[in-house]
Amino acid sequence: GAVVSQHPSWVICKSGTSVKIECRSLDFQATTMFWYRQFPKQSLMLMATSNEGSKATYEQGVEKDKFLINHASLTLSTLTVTSAHPEDSSFYICSAKLGTLAKNIQYFGAGTRLSVL
Amino acid sequence: GDSVTQMEGPVTLSEEAFLTINCTYTATGYPSLFWYVQYPGEGLQLLLKATKADDKGSNKGFEATYRKETTSFHLEKGSVQVSDSAVYFCALSGISGNAGNMLTFGGGTRLMVKP
Repeated sequence: GAVVSQHPSWVICKSGTSVKIECRSLDFQATTMFWYRQFPKQSLMLMATSNEGSKATYEQGVEKDKFLINHASLTLSTLTVTSAHPEDSSFYICSAKLGTLAKNIQYFGAGTRLSVL
Repeated sequence: GDSVTQMEGPVTLSEEAFLTINCTYTATGYPSLFWYVQYPGEGLQLLLKATKADDKGSNKGFEATYRKETTSFHLEKGSVQVSDSAVYFCALSGISGNAGNMLTFGGGTRLMVKP
């Protein structure tokens, strides 16, 4: 099946630093990628939808200046958590959409655990 | 808006027991339905899917049937194994407008299988 690689898998950083998370579709081109946040023992919350070559669409309540998304190519989207604080600690998961609208399937990365000290 | 409701966990079963995780949905039109599985510390993996009414998705012994009349997509497995311990998410994807790009997830159900 389609493979989505997410890097890094775990990052620990000091408060105030910025962290970049990469999401790559390895064997297919993804015009649309998604970024989710997952709190412990909870479901996934969609943060933003990222379309190649255009600005990301953020969900209500998600600060776009805090969570910068760049979808520079058909195989790469990045999420940068700017000036991270402890409350940003979470599990961030990306996914990439494969296929036509009628067969909408999202393939997920393995996730990135962010711990802000 | 679209929503997915699934049974709360944790569900604790003995090995070889029968599994059912209920999932019901609310959506306009005819969404596609999915079950994803998340093993500890990992991202989500697509387990199975169904794209139209009466379709049955199946994979690794798991199966779920798209029931439009009851708006349900219950996950079943005849004999669970310890390795099935994970969190299972039911999800739907709309087909109209931008909704076609979005997955709406249920809250997840943690399954624990004991030897």
